[in-house]
Amino acid sequence: DQQVKQNSPSLSVQEGRISILNCDYTNSMFDYFLWYKKYPAEGPTFLISISSIKDKNEDGRFTVFLNKSAKHLSLHIVPSQPGDSAVYFCAASGLGAGSYQLTFGKGTKLSVIP
Amino acid sequence: DADVTQTPRNRITKTGKRIMLECSQTKGHDRMYWYRQDPGLGLRLIYYSFDVKDINKGEISDGYSVSRQAQAKFSLSLESAIPNQTALYFCATSGRSTGELFFGEGSRLTVL
Repeated sequence: DQQVKQNSPSLSVQEGRISILNCDYTNSMFDYFLWYKKYPAEGPTFLISISSIKDKNEDGRFTVFLNKSAKHLSLHIVPSQPGDSAVYFCAASGLGAGSYQLTFGKGTKLSVIP
Repeated sequence: DADVTQTPRNRITKTGKRIMLECSQTKGHDRMYWYRQDPGLGLRLIYYSFDVKDINKGEISDGYSVSRQAQAKFSLSLESAIPNQTALYFCATSGRSTGELFFGEGSRLTVL
């Protein structure tokens, strides 16, 4: 049973436009959420996180929104750039920011078209 | 140099062979992890270790074993490899106060 779901395997966006990547979770105990980006032949790298006490966290072109009632979070990239083309993984934990165990979604492959 | 280094980066082996994947880190983190990535399945936790004397099973530990030789070294072993263990394996580390994981570049294992 998937506890973290990324229902869109892929997404294509024009350069300069907004990319919106979605993630749903089922475990109400999750209280800390992270996004990772992965390029081919590299390991995933941390992008941005959000605690359940917030509904928005912003870092430059990247913003994560959390809707606890809907158990949904989204990553917005504005403006999208070709270098953002990668696989994006949503992850969640139930023990706060110090958690040792993350549950990952299956990933969404973003392609930014020049 | 990478903060988290995995060797080998690629390995092809045969069913029944013993395989060891090694991981070393220079981040000074206490926590180390082994994950497996399969196409369409995301990342799944195999084993994790909080320190040299603390090793724990993750979601999919069957068929695998680990050894924490030192704070900076964490190896994953497949005692008798089988084809469905063909996957991309990632080592990761984290500090105590954050869930942020730092991943190695991955070890691609193919079991024929």
